[in-house]
Amino acid sequence: EVQLVESGGGLVQPGGSLRLSCAASGFTFSSYAMSWVRQAPGKGLDWVSGISGSGGSTKYADSVKGRFTISRDNSKNTLYLQMNSLRAEDTAVYYCAKDNLIAVAGTLHYWGQGTLVTVSS
Amino acid sequence: DIQMTQSPSSLSASVGDRVTITCQASQDISNYLNWYQQKPGKAPKLLISDASNLETGVPSRFSGSGSGTDFTFTISSLQPEDIATYYCQQYDNLPFTFGPGTKVDIK
Repeated sequence: EVQLVESGGGLVQPGGSLRLSCAASGFTFSSYAMSWVRQAPGKGLDWVSGISGSGGSTKYADSVKGRFTISRDNSKNTLYLQMNSLRAEDTAVYYCAKDNLIAVAGTLHYWGQGTLVTVSS
Repeated sequence: DIQMTQSPSSLSASVGDRVTITCQASQDISNYLNWYQQKPGKAPKLLISDASNLETGVPSRFSGSGSGTDFTFTISSLQPEDIATYYCQQYDNLPFTFGPGTKVDIK
């Protein structure tokens, strides 16, 4: 059974940093790309970033480019999102999601339950 | 970026009714279109990929069609457990973009 468990969310001040983690199990982690998708309170879904199965290819939404870094440790079956220079508009539930291919392709078959990031002073 | 629109933004229907949601892309995306269901407080769930491919385990009352810029999602007979918000998503171009969602509830 595929399981994705996010952690690392919390309250952070504007300009601060946070690192999210997503622990994966139930599949061969290195064989699939992964993405982060966020959802602001009461709003829709917003794709943030994706990474290939090897970690060699990363993609970002313009809104986070230069501030967020996606990475993965295939030996630990864990996906990360390093978030720097956080803004109020980054406040959201952050989901990790499993793609259906080794490259970042965009069909997100499995999702974690999400972790809430709140950026506020 | 490719813009996705959905209509209606919300609807209320009776159990057993046929429900149809439309999704339009700002440019041709072929059939690179997914549909997700999100129940309150839960993560999204993939229902349909490639515009019309029903995912394993998803009830057959759900279906999708379309290509190019215009797509349709249908629930043939609405059930109480279908109360959710439904999102379309294009994966033809990065960044992947979602429609604003259609909230479905029971009349």
